[in-house]
Amino acid sequence: TQLLEQSPQFLSIQEGENLTVYCNSSSVFSSLQWYRQEPGEGPVLLVTVVTGGEVKKLKRLTFQFGDARKDSSLHITAAQPGDTGLYLCAGGGGGSNYKLTFGKGTLLTVNP
Amino acid sequence: DADVTQTPRNRITKTGKRIMLECSQTKGHDRMYWYRQDPGLGLRLIYYSFDVKDINKGEISDGYSVSRQAQAKFSLSLESAIPNQTALYFCATSPQGATETQYFGPGTRLLVL
Repeated sequence: TQLLEQSPQFLSIQEGENLTVYCNSSSVFSSLQWYRQEPGEGPVLLVTVVTGGEVKKLKRLTFQFGDARKDSSLHITAAQPGDTGLYLCAGGGGGSNYKLTFGKGTLLTVNP
Repeated sequence: DADVTQTPRNRITKTGKRIMLECSQTKGHDRMYWYRQDPGLGLRLIYYSFDVKDINKGEISDGYSVSRQAQAKFSLSLESAIPNQTALYFCATSPQGATETQYFGPGTRLLVL
């Protein structure tokens, strides 16, 4: 069974601070995705990374896939209240197994 | 208009009642999924379908059943609801391709009394 551990589980910071969220596994994934979920809504895809060592930037968000494709990180620079939400990582098994394994999420609160 | 819609958005029911949650999509995706989300447990897969004739159990299928009426419609049924099925339920779709990106509906909040 593939498991994804996210840390921290909760994070409360002030506007303007930087933060990093981690997603770790002992399993290798063919792809790693990050989703953001706001209260009362479904998760929305932020990014997909597929190559070991890959780094993607989305404005103030930087995503990295580990060289061994077992872990990933999400770094937010100068956090804003609008970044508040539940951040979920999800690993894809590849091949014909089109299912995702989700981490339990990091609940981020950015205080003004 | 939303690409993945779920009805109802909120539902309160009593123990023992049969209820159905519906999901429709206009994205033209073959793959559809049902998840439940509980605090501290994350998203857990209930059932998934790769096409109209394909239905597969996920990790927590006991107490649930599904129907894939068409490419665009995937329904989840609770035959006899129990309180520990109180949760947030999400439908998702996915296109064929090299990555497993999923697109989620807005969710149904279910309370079983």
